[in-house]
Amino acid sequence: DVKVTQSSRYLVKRTGEKVFLECVQDMDHENMFWYRQDPGLGLRLIYFSYDVKMKEKGDIPEGYSVSREKKERFSLILESASTNQTSMYLCASSPRRGVGKPQHFGDGTRLSIL
Amino acid sequence: AQTVTQSQPEMSVQEAETVTLSCTYDTSESDYYLFWYKQPPSRQMILVIRQEAYKQQNATENRFSVNFQKAAKSFSLKISDSQLGDAAMYFCAYRSAGDFGNEKLTFGTGTRLTIIP
Repeated sequence: DVKVTQSSRYLVKRTGEKVFLECVQDMDHENMFWYRQDPGLGLRLIYFSYDVKMKEKGDIPEGYSVSREKKERFSLILESASTNQTSMYLCASSPRRGVGKPQHFGDGTRLSIL
Repeated sequence: AQTVTQSQPEMSVQEAETVTLSCTYDTSESDYYLFWYKQPPSRQMILVIRQEAYKQQNATENRFSVNFQKAAKSFSLKISDSQLGDAAMYFCAYRSAGDFGNEKLTFGTGTRLTIIP
């Protein structure tokens, strides 16, 4: 079974801090994704990556950046956390593009910015 | 851009009964994939069922089946013999077919399903 592991289940940070959310997958998937989940808004794509060193903006990239130095790891960075970034963050991965395989998700990180 | 609409924020069903969750989508593409994901209180998103747009036959997975109406851009999920473990948030999602740049999922806002014992 595919395992997508997010480093923290709950995280509390302060406004202005630099925040790192880590995601690791163990199935050698090429694609990795970061979503934000808010009540009534569903999941919205922040950033995604098709390969090491590659990144693409999703629908709501403002205030975020990402890093993919190794194939199995995809990090989401909040450069200067703000209270409107309090949310649930979900990481996902999927096999190489174009084959219609579903994405596999981690358990999510519930981030609170105070 | 594609959009996915789930018009039922909440649904409830008696245990052992059947329930149908609605999903409509808007796209100009002819080839795509549709998914239903389930998110229980444990929070992990679990794939329930997947439909390829070019296949006319509706997908089924045990007690879960879909009614895919391509012309109407409708993709409803039917859960038969509902069980307590089916209680969760259900998300409908769309994905373009094809190569680079089309791996993104577009999600609906979700339907919270409650199972009444």
